[in-house]
Amino acid sequence: DAKTTQPNSMESNEEEPVHLPCNHSTISGTDYIHWYRQLPSQGPEYVIHGLTSNVNNRMASLAIAEDRKSSTLILHRATLRDAAVYYCILRDYDMRFGAGTRLTVKP
Amino acid sequence: KAGVTQTPRYLIKTRGQQVTLSCSPISGHRSVSWYQQTPGQGLQFLFEYFSETQRNKGNFPGRFSGRQFSNSRSEMNVSTLELGDSALYLCASSLSGTEPYEQYFGPGTRLTVT
Repeated sequence: DAKTTQPNSMESNEEEPVHLPCNHSTISGTDYIHWYRQLPSQGPEYVIHGLTSNVNNRMASLAIAEDRKSSTLILHRATLRDAAVYYCILRDYDMRFGAGTRLTVKP
Repeated sequence: KAGVTQTPRYLIKTRGQQVTLSCSPISGHRSVSWYQQTPGQGLQFLFEYFSETQRNKGNFPGRFSGRQFSNSRSEMNVSTLELGDSALYLCASSLSGTEPYEQYFGPGTRLTVT
């Protein structure tokens, strides 16, 4: 099974960019990289996904390394509402959530 | 468009009883997945249904079962409840379940087993 490695926690200041890293050295050629986040007392929420090229949407950007063994989720201007646990997932046949990265945003 | 709804939101059961949880996916979504979330194990995949058929199954004992109806609504059942089954049970729906796809999660059902 393809697995991901993320830092347990990160801190950011409000209105500053945040780069959340994810290592996935055993990724296969057909694995999509997905990011979800879970705000306190809520179910996970889709953030972004990509295969090979960098991706942007209204919530975030996803930068994928050329060898696809790592990726970075970029929040361009962190707000207090972005405080959540962020999960990087390689979908095999199901969604295997790891421990994720707990992001704290300081005002 | 209404989101994924789960009922009930909170439930207290006694060890040995059984429980049925319900999930209504977003209109038009045909895939429904179930997850268990606990502080110790995090989010774990239970099973996925697509067009009334179980397509994938996680590593849970046979006490955990589910089904999907023709309108895509899904139920999961846990028989002979154990204290360790206390958890937040999350349901997620997606259009087809064909990669790549976004899953939309409901708010969950908080099950407490005493």
